[in-house]
Amino acid sequence: AQTVTQSQPEMSVQEAETVTLSCTYDTSESNYYLFWYKQPPSRQMILVIRQEAYKQQNATENRFSVNFQKAAKSFSLKISDSQLGDTAMYFCAFLNRDDKIIFGKGTRLHILP
Amino acid sequence: KAGVTQTPRYLIKTRGQQVTLSCSPISGHRSVSWYQQTPGQGLQFLFEYFSETQRNKGNFPGRFSGRQFSNSRSEMNVSTLELGDSALYLCASSVGHGAQETQYFGPGTRLLVL
Repeated sequence: AQTVTQSQPEMSVQEAETVTLSCTYDTSESNYYLFWYKQPPSRQMILVIRQEAYKQQNATENRFSVNFQKAAKSFSLKISDSQLGDTAMYFCAFLNRDDKIIFGKGTRLHILP
Repeated sequence: KAGVTQTPRYLIKTRGQQVTLSCSPISGHRSVSWYQQTPGQGLQFLFEYFSETQRNKGNFPGRFSGRQFSNSRSEMNVSTLELGDSALYLCASSVGHGAQETQYFGPGTRLLVL
């Protein structure tokens, strides 16, 4: 079965620090997509970053970058120069060719002033 | 415990029709949230129900509605379907509140509007 594991239920870092959220997944497929979503208390899901498995280059969006290790099935999110507005729940998600999407349980991130 | 279940898993409708999707949360979970997943818009929040009351709502037109029953099962209804409503609709049930909340996502219902 395909699974997504986020091993850090909760994390806290000081503002301006760099933080890395871990995500591992299990699949036998070779083509798939990986996502990081940010969910503030409003419950809106904000797409932070997206990675296509066939692309070896790690995706980057401003202060957000990923470390995609396909062989290790690891997809960690790095937030640089963290800001108070980054405080939220972060979900890692896996999307396969059949459009099946699987979410991790989330990491609650607190950015401290 | 059984996970979140959603029925049906796949659905094909035509424009103008209406559709009802069902979500059964994990036993003991009283909160159910609905999301729409599309390739273009990503994952968007529709609404959340807790103890039969809508607690939170996203930015969707009134054609999208929901309800929750006393056993926490939830239904989502879309009336006057449009082609753009084709999407994967996800339901998540949760336990706890605020900082203690954990959401568990179901497998989704794939809706295709022709």
